[in-house]
Amino acid sequence: SQTIHQWPATLVQPVGSPLSLECTVEGTSNPNLYWYRQAAGRGLQLLFYSVGIGQISSEVPQNLSASRPQDRQFILSSKKLLLSDSGFYLCAWSAAYNSPLHFGNGTRLTVT
Amino acid sequence: QKEVEQNSGPLSVPEGAIASLNCTYSDRGSQSFFWYRQYSGKSPELIMFIYSNGDKEDGRFTAQLNKASQYVSLLIRDSQPSDSATYLCAVNWEEEYGNKLVFGAGTILRVKS
Repeated sequence: SQTIHQWPATLVQPVGSPLSLECTVEGTSNPNLYWYRQAAGRGLQLLFYSVGIGQISSEVPQNLSASRPQDRQFILSSKKLLLSDSGFYLCAWSAAYNSPLHFGNGTRLTVT
Repeated sequence: QKEVEQNSGPLSVPEGAIASLNCTYSDRGSQSFFWYRQYSGKSPELIMFIYSNGDKEDGRFTAQLNKASQYVSLLIRDSQPSDSATYLCAVNWEEEYGNKLVFGAGTILRVKS
């Protein structure tokens, strides 16, 4: 069966510090991968998605970036965090077009 | 701009009643539709998906899709306090480099015992 791992679960970072969140998927090949952000009390905002190694589509670039160095690994990064980057970051995968998304447990990021 | 609209609620129903959650979407080209449940502080979990017009039933849940009206709904029969959560509607759109799921803001459901 397929599993998705996302870490860390919680993170507190000062403004201006860098960020790296990692997500890996097991039990499937060539998944579509996604990063979403959910601000407190708000809906899910799509940040990035990828259909293959090295391919990234950006929805809300701002000061965030994403990379897919391996087939089942997806990384979300920032060089300098802003207060507005606080939120619940969710990695997700899907098997193919029209397939449901399956979410990791999420990372709660607080920028202070 | 692709949009998915949901009433934020909260929707309050008594235990044992039917909860009806609604969602509209902006793009007629959408092909697949999903309902997720999210408990406070947790990640969303898939409840149901529907691709064709009509009803699809799974246990106490029924998803209804009307593409002509650009409307999808979720019915929860025999609602239980454990159903209290935020319900997210998601619509799939095909883009140049793959497909993406756009979510509504969610409807808060409260089931009172």
